Amino acid sequence: GNSVTQMEGPVTLSEEAFLTINCTYTATGYPSLFWYVQYPGEGLQLLLKATKADDKGSNKGFEATYRKETTSFHLEKGSVQVSDSAVYFCALSDLKGGTSYGKLTFGQGTILTVHP
Amino acid sequence: DAGITQSPRHKVTETGTPVTLRCHQTENHRYMYWYRQDPGHGLRLIHYSYGVKDTDKGEVSDGYSVSRSKTEDFLLTLESATSSQTSVYFCAISESGLGTDTQYFGPGTRLTVL
Repeated sequence: GNSVTQMEGPVTLSEEAFLTINCTYTATGYPSLFWYVQYPGEGLQLLLKATKADDKGSNKGFEATYRKETTSFHLEKGSVQVSDSAVYFCALSDLKGGTSYGKLTFGQGTILTVHP
Repeated sequence: DAGITQSPRHKVTETGTPVTLRCHQTENHRYMYWYRQDPGHGLRLIHYSYGVKDTDKGEVSDGYSVSRSKTEDFLLTLESATSSQTSVYFCAISESGLGTDTQYFGPGTRLTVL
């Protein structure tokens, strides 16, 4: 079956530090990969996505590259801000057979706290 | 922001009582999903719908049922709530249901079963 593994958290950084959150996956077909972010007290919202191997998703200074050879989709940001404090979820949607109905498999989430 | 509301936003109930959570959307999206969020597990799919009256089970469907009689509403029912169903429940919608499609999430319902 499908699974997503994220680096264990929580992660605590100082403002302007470099961020990496690791994400690896297993899938039976040809997945699309996503990073969703959850700010305190809110629902999830899409941060970025990549739908095929070697694609790079980017948004708000965050980037992630779909690496099929290492089955990874690590999230990076060069300089974090206090406002980036949130929970980050890596997820996949497997396209095998074209009948996934868009169902998502999530990692366990990584709590990021950024201090001034 | 996608028009998704969930009700109630918070609920405390007792073991053995029935509970229904409602998800309402104004986007006319065909696909709707219910997830639960628990520490250490991320989000897990409970049930999903691919059209009016068309639903199917997800990863953690035991103890839950769903109904969708209108495009805009997707109901999640706990027939007899248990303490293990204490969680935060999120509804999501998707326009195409394709694996590449973005899902839009509601604000969540925090359910506590005593």
